Amino acid sequence: DIQMTQSPSSLSASVGDRVTIACRATQNIANYLNWYQKKPGEAPRLLIYAASRLQSGVPSRFSGSGSGTFFTLTISSLQPGDSATYYCQQTIGDLVWTFGQGTKVEIQ
Amino acid sequence: EVNLVESGGGLVQPGGSLRLSCTASGFTIGDYWMSWVRQAPGKGLEWVANIKQDSSEKYYVDSVKGRFIISRDNAKNSLYLQMNSLRVDDTSVYYCVRIRYFGVPSQDVWGQGTTVTVS
Repeated sequence: DIQMTQSPSSLSASVGDRVTIACRATQNIANYLNWYQKKPGEAPRLLIYAASRLQSGVPSRFSGSGSGTFFTLTISSLQPGDSATYYCQQTIGDLVWTFGQGTKVEIQ
Repeated sequence: EVNLVESGGGLVQPGGSLRLSCTASGFTIGDYWMSWVRQAPGKGLEWVANIKQDSSEKYYVDSVKGRFIISRDNAKNSLYLQMNSLRVDDTSVYYCVRIRYFGVPSQDVWGQGTTVTVS
């Protein structure tokens, strides 16, 4: 099975900061990589699909990049509402999918 | 408005069974692969199962194979998860999710979740 590893596990940053989260796959997944935002008590929300495509309705301060085994999610200017846990997910593995362990983003 | 609403969660003893339901509105589930995703207390998201539009293909995470069954009734616009031989570590919020293919598959519509407690 394909394993996904995110780093860091958590981070604390200030409003306006640029934040980058990394996600690494144990094998080549091309661009079969999605990013989700999860807030406590809420359903997860799709932010980025196919590694770099912005989901409709998601603010443009969110962006994704990468291919193969290494990917990043960047928030260009952190906002108070961005406090959440972010997950990467691979969707190439024969319809057997895996999420990263999550990165918790806190606002200082 | 596109929406998914789960039901059927609750408290069950280890070894017991539970059937989750998910009703869609605003779209036809028969046009989409569908899935279940769960999140245990204090843990991350875990993909559980996928089902094709015509139910001809089903996929499961290893930890639920042989115990959980994903199914659907397109005429009722509904998705189900039959959970048998439940274990304490199945305790989670279970989300019903739509799968969309824009080049690659992603999970673009999520229900609010239903809580399953095995204790």
